[in-house]
Amino acid sequence: DTEVTQTPKHLVMGMTNKKSLKCEQHMGHRAMYWYKQKAKKPPELMFVYSYEKLSINESVPSRFSPECPNSSLLNLHLHALQPEDSALYLCASSQVLGQGYGYTFGSGTRLTVV
Amino acid sequence: TQLLEQSPQFLSIQEGENLTVYCNSSSVFSSLQWYRQEPGEGPVLLVTVVTGGEVKKLKRLTFQFGDARKDSSLHITAAQPGDTGLYLCAGEGMDSSYKLIFGSGTRLLVRP
Repeated sequence: DTEVTQTPKHLVMGMTNKKSLKCEQHMGHRAMYWYKQKAKKPPELMFVYSYEKLSINESVPSRFSPECPNSSLLNLHLHALQPEDSALYLCASSQVLGQGYGYTFGSGTRLTVV
Repeated sequence: TQLLEQSPQFLSIQEGENLTVYCNSSSVFSSLQWYRQEPGEGPVLLVTVVTGGEVKKLKRLTFQFGDARKDSSLHITAAQPGDTGLYLCAGEGMDSSYKLIFGSGTRLLVRP
């Protein structure tokens, strides 16, 4: 298995809703990432997990809450989002943090906040 | 803050032509990665270069890492319509955070 699987593929949520994005990989990778990508822009780093521990939080608002329940799973819990949070949310993994290992990205979750 | 500038931003060429995309920074990176992204999909890794001056070839694509590890280039020979897409360079930081920061991207259109 050489894939990162993200669910759901599309999500529409109201500003008062609570929802979660899910990411799964079975490649034995110990580093996992969340990126946000707005239209016509490059991906922007949000969170980094290394060996299931949060390593980097790029000053992301608290309405985004990451969770890494085990080495294969990464969740992003969403609460009280704003319309400007609408974007493609990408999950990625790499063998370990650093050392030049390339990232494997999922296909993303297209989030629309109404 | 580490910034990566890509040029050109847009490129529209005829099938069979050659092209070069540049990725420049004032920062030193521990590695430089190139990705290609299709609309509505995640980026797909093309190559990782880690040694200054390193050159890697992937069929018609040639990647080079600058000697000082601050810049990189992607050269495509005899471009084909299937090469159309968004090309992203990404630099991995030298500090212990190893953040992977993406360049602004180059949108390539290869016309038949």
